[in-house]
Amino acid sequence: ETGVTQSPTHLIKTRGQQVTLRCSSQSGHNTVSWYQQALGQGPQFIFQYYREEENGRGNFPPRFSGLQFPNYSSELNVNALELDDSALYLCASSFGTQANYGYTFGSGTRLTVV
Amino acid sequence: DAKTTQPPSMDCAEGRAANLPCNHSTISGNEYVYWYRQIHSQGPQYIIHGLKNNETNEMASLIITEDRKSSTLILPHATLRDTAVYYCIVRVDYTGGFKTIFGAGTRLFVKA
Repeated sequence: ETGVTQSPTHLIKTRGQQVTLRCSSQSGHNTVSWYQQALGQGPQFIFQYYREEENGRGNFPPRFSGLQFPNYSSELNVNALELDDSALYLCASSFGTQANYGYTFGSGTRLTVV
Repeated sequence: DAKTTQPPSMDCAEGRAANLPCNHSTISGNEYVYWYRQIHSQGPQYIIHGLKNNETNEMASLIITEDRKSSTLILPHATLRDTAVYYCIVRVDYTGGFKTIFGAGTRLFVKA
């Protein structure tokens, strides 16, 4: 059973650019969530996808968008990057959307915006 | 926006039990309490979760008060490798989806 894998592990972008981060969910999981974690803070919920539909969103602007594919892998897209977007981006997968299912997290993508 | 409050840091002697408290006074009847931990900015690791009853697994025990307004994570025999940030989370359901709100967590230092 493979866990959650994210790519790339590290990335440097320039302010104003666009970035795409990728996530492969754990085998058997059909739900993917994305989080942003700034240095020294807890993870902040960005959004969640279940069966290719967004079904929960945190307080992030529309330039943060996502996709989930039929194989349940997912992408996080961020447009018009800002310096404050520098953070660790975490992907987590689970089975179903009920409150009784826990998440498995990936190791994250460290994004630096310069 | 977080539904949980935790002490910012705690110390524990190696080999002793670590008891990490969490307050979630606004928890609703169908919302579960989850505990995760994060070591050195790796991805958070699931520890345990529960609704009403106390729970135990190979890593830890979770004690939930009868009114469900608080809980305690117990690491029965803490080791140096248990030094991490521990997050208590309430998984919030709402119409059309749900949110999982992390707080700042408790930084646990296990000392030899």
